[in-house]
Amino acid sequence: QSALTQPASVSGSPGQSITISCTGTSSDVGGYNYVSWYQQHPGKAPKLMIYEVSNRPSGVPDRFSGSKSGNTASLTISGLQAEDEADYYCSSYTSSRLGVFGTGTKVTVL
Amino acid sequence: EVQLVQSGAEVKKPGESLKISCKGSGYSFTSYWIGWVRQMPGKGLEWMGIIYPGDSDTRYSPSFQGQVTISADKSISTAYLQWSSLKASDTAMYYCALQTGPGRVDYWGQGTLVTVSS
Repeated sequence: QSALTQPASVSGSPGQSITISCTGTSSDVGGYNYVSWYQQHPGKAPKLMIYEVSNRPSGVPDRFSGSKSGNTASLTISGLQAEDEADYYCSSYTSSRLGVFGTGTKVTVL
Repeated sequence: EVQLVQSGAEVKKPGESLKISCKGSGYSFTSYWIGWVRQMPGKGLEWMGIIYPGDSDTRYSPSFQGQVTISADKSISTAYLQWSSLKASDTAMYYCALQTGPGRVDYWGQGTLVTVSS
């Protein structure tokens, strides 16, 4: 199972919106509405930000939103804040139950 | 409160064996899939494998099949990841991860740093 493809880095100024893409295949992203997004700050465990393509767990700000079209999922951060600077990983369910992560995107707040 | 508490950091030599653990609490241990995720220094997340403690059904990523063994002891709500012969390339942070839905991990352990060096 190959990793899902994400841009290596995305940057934006405070208050701006950014979008991170996550491209897979019909066997993962395109085949299921089970795409998740995780935020990871340096030295910390990942944190779930979005599940089932567009749902936010309790406590995650509504600045974070998710969507999917075909084999590509996207995470949008609106009103970018300094604390959003982190690495972001998408993940998709697969038939093996195991799942597959994306390559990861470093978000920089300018 | 759901918690996953992992065993402490390890420093090992190549060829040695190792078993690290992840103790779950605050939920029904036998009712959810729990897995292991590797993160090599400066790199991304990789699923290694996953186990359903209720019936010990275990799935491995092709990259890790035959390289590690995942197990669980439901009597003490603990999942394990073990190596029979470590390599320097096994140096990484290892996280246990609780799947609360298909592809969804709401809870993570704090991570166990494994360093393999001669």
